[in-house]
Amino acid sequence: QSALTQPASVSGSPGQSITISCTGTSSDIGGYDLVSWYQQHPGKAPKLVIYEVSRRPSGISSRFSGSKSGNTASLTISGLQAEDESDYYCCSYAGSSTYVMFGGGTKVTVL
Amino acid sequence: EVQLVESGGGLVEPGGSLKLSCAASGFTFNNAWLSWVRQAPGKGLEWVGRIKSKTDGATTDSAAPVKGRFTISRDDSKDTLYLQMSSLKTEDTAVYYCTTDTSLGSFDSWGRGTLVSVSS
Repeated sequence: QSALTQPASVSGSPGQSITISCTGTSSDIGGYDLVSWYQQHPGKAPKLVIYEVSRRPSGISSRFSGSKSGNTASLTISGLQAEDESDYYCCSYAGSSTYVMFGGGTKVTVL
Repeated sequence: EVQLVESGGGLVEPGGSLKLSCAASGFTFNNAWLSWVRQAPGKGLEWVGRIKSKTDGATTDSAAPVKGRFTISRDDSKDTLYLQMSSLKTEDTAVYYCTTDTSLGSFDSWGRGTLVSVSS
């Protein structure tokens, strides 16, 4: 199976909001409310920022929010800050045979 | 605080074998589902495989590219997760991360990773 589809890059100025899309199919994103998002700074391990489409783990800023419509999930970062410059990956449960699929990643640049 | 520490990575020739370990602390290991996720140099994340808790049968699942070559196991007495890799290919070169796995594919804690390089 192909990975979930994310834009290669997204940019925004400090204080702005940006949205990263993640497109899949009815067999993954569209079939389950089990989408998660990960932030990864260079040379570091990924960090969970959203799970189950829109839930935030303890300690994650409320500036991060998630949503889903049909086969597309989205991560929105509001009030963009310099520390948000990072790579972001989406992930979706895809049924018992495939288990999960990741997106190709999106590089967020703070202008 | 949850801690996951991977070890065992290194350089291995194509066709060779390697066993990774992940020592865990800060949570109830024997109740946890655990996964391995890898990242090839300059590439994205790829799920490798998962093992359920013993109470859930300790069953394992693996991604298609590694099925039949990689085996995941756990030792709850040592709070340690393992990944036995055999018939290694150059495309297996990656940083391998150990993760806790909740809510069917929500990877909430990660180790720092261990690098596996497959090259002649």
